[in-house]
Amino acid sequence: GQNIDQPTEMTATEGAIVQINCTYQTSGFNGLFWYQQHAGEAPTFLSYNVLDGLEEKGRFSSFLSRSKGYSYLLLKELQMKDSASYLCAVNTGFQKLVFGTGTRLLVSP
Amino acid sequence: DSGVTQTPKHLITATGQRVTLRCSPRSGDLSVYWYQQSLDQGLQFLIQYYNGEERAKGNILERFSAQQFPDLHSELNLSSLELGDSALYFCASSVGQVATNEKLFFGSGTQLSVL
Repeated sequence: GQNIDQPTEMTATEGAIVQINCTYQTSGFNGLFWYQQHAGEAPTFLSYNVLDGLEEKGRFSSFLSRSKGYSYLLLKELQMKDSASYLCAVNTGFQKLVFGTGTRLLVSP
Repeated sequence: DSGVTQTPKHLITATGQRVTLRCSPRSGDLSVYWYQQSLDQGLQFLIQYYNGEERAKGNILERFSAQQFPDLHSELNLSSLELGDSALYFCASSVGQVATNEKLFFGSGTQLSVL
């Protein structure tokens, strides 16, 4: 089966840094995605990792370790608008993108 | 706006009924994916079509079916509805197939409530 684990909920303060972890055990691996989803809205693409290491995009960075089945999303200089759910998704091959249950991030003033 | 259009936005129906959800992908996208999102299970992959052909199947119930038409729009049919089918149903599209690093573009979803 496919197993993708993320913390259910995290809280942080405006201006701080937060790291959202994702561990996975899947039958195949062809890359890992992070999506952001505000309540009641559609998920939107944040980042993609297929090789080990860190990918940086402005305030957001994503890290992958394939040998450990581990990824994290790092959000810097948190803003209130970053309050959302963050979904880790693994491309398992065979045209399948499997999502974790998501981490709800609450940013407080 | 992702460019993916889903209709209707909300659907309220009764148990045992049948409904059809519609999705128009972004212009130029050949793949359409259907996902179900409920509070306790996150986004569950249902099915994918590429250029009119079924390409991948997830945990889609036998009561559910889908198709992609020549104009590339897709419909998800849900029949013999049960209370547990109440969920947010998302359609997503991509240019090619997710075997590459292509990101998905999601529609705004159809909120289905089965009473």
